[in-house]
Amino acid sequence: EIVLTQSPGTLSLSPGERATLSCRASQSVSSSSLAWYQQKPGQAPRLLIYGASSRGTGIPDRFSGSGSGTDFTLTISRLEPEDFAVYYCQQHGGSPQFTFGPGTKVDIK
Amino acid sequence: QVQLQESGPGLVKPSETLSLTCTVSGGSISSYYWSWIRQPPGKGLEWIGYIYYSGSTNYNPSLKSRVTISVDTSKNQFSLKLNSVTAADTAVYYCAGNLLSSSSLDYWGQGSLVTVSS
Repeated sequence: EIVLTQSPGTLSLSPGERATLSCRASQSVSSSSLAWYQQKPGQAPRLLIYGASSRGTGIPDRFSGSGSGTDFTLTISRLEPEDFAVYYCQQHGGSPQFTFGPGTKVDIK
Repeated sequence: QVQLQESGPGLVKPSETLSLTCTVSGGSISSYYWSWIRQPPGKGLEWIGYIYYSGSTNYNPSLKSRVTISVDTSKNQFSLKLNSVTAADTAVYYCAGNLLSSSSLDYWGQGSLVTVSS
């Protein structure tokens, strides 16, 4: 089983600042199989990034993804008030077919 | 735009079977894999399993012995059954879909809280 680790657990930032979130896999994964989601309280996760670097439908360009192999990054260039949420990375393939990281909470400093 | 809606009892007794249904609208049920994911209160996401319209399934090994996912193409629905539940199965249960060519869960239902308690 591929295990995903996310860091930091919590990121305290102010609106307008840049957020850099890390996702590390226990073994190399295909970039095409790495995705990021945003989840706000009481809501379902929303797909932000697929294929490690492609934005989902309607996702603002302040969100970007990068990385390969075992290290992947989600960057929010300038935090807007609506971006304070929990972010999960996810990989597809192997067993189980989908695994998620534990999440990074981005909260207001 | 594909939309998903979960339905089912919000309270299940310990040792009984949890049953949920997801209704798909706005898209063909034959174009996607359909998954169930759960999230215990205050915790992260756990993928339970998926089904294709043909009926082929893939389950999380950690839950495989207790899970059955089925599909009813005539109703555009797919369902989850989880048997022998305990308090540890208390969670928000989401249904989700991904295109056959996709490695991400593109569409999600709003979620359904299921509490296991006597």
